[in-house]
Amino acid sequence: GAGVSQTPSNKVTEKGKYVELRCDPISGHTALYWYRQSLGQGPEFLIYFQGTGAADDSGLPNDRFFAVRPEGSVSTLKIQRTERGDSAVYLCASSPNRGANTGELFFGEGSRLTVL
Amino acid sequence: EDQVTQSPEALRLQEGESSSLNCSYTVSGLRGLFWYRQDPGKGPEFLFTLYSAGEEKEKERLKATLTKKESFLHITAPKPEDSATYLCAVGRNTGKLIFGQGTTLQVKP
Repeated sequence: GAGVSQTPSNKVTEKGKYVELRCDPISGHTALYWYRQSLGQGPEFLIYFQGTGAADDSGLPNDRFFAVRPEGSVSTLKIQRTERGDSAVYLCASSPNRGANTGELFFGEGSRLTVL
Repeated sequence: EDQVTQSPEALRLQEGESSSLNCSYTVSGLRGLFWYRQDPGKGPEFLFTLYSAGEEKEKERLKATLTKKESFLHITAPKPEDSATYLCAVGRNTGKLIFGQGTTLQVKP
């Protein structure tokens, strides 16, 4: 497909488990973002990649959260020792190199994480 | 501290009843003000970018305007298909976007 693809679309896990969420950006987009959205709230910034490197990870809430983008394309958000407060929709977005300046991000449909 | 506040939180309109949504912001190193639309169960969809005070952008029934401290999204003669959550975001010179909490618009036929 031509859009940003996120898997899984839904994930239910138990408190304390490890979770990985995957994002396939639009081909050729060098910038990749992760956001988290709770019900009734706007997206909350987590991390931004330019190529393979994290250009800004100031939104990661603590050291249980980690994200990688080893080849500058697919990215994985990893959450260790999940807590009930981690329950949210995790959104991935990509943009062309200049997209970070134009504000035009292309979002996926998100991965809904529920921690029981 | 960077802050983006949208009002109202929710807005109900009759079809054809024009109104405006507000986005006020404080941010250092502003690199633009952006509007997005989000339908239930979907990711946000980009609408507009505004860079400087006085700038306006239009798309169908929507018009976005910008001042030094706030932006308005004007909706003229809305239709039920305009029902969605409208998100405002500001861009920082680091590249990241900071979103407001959104305004949920419902347009009744």
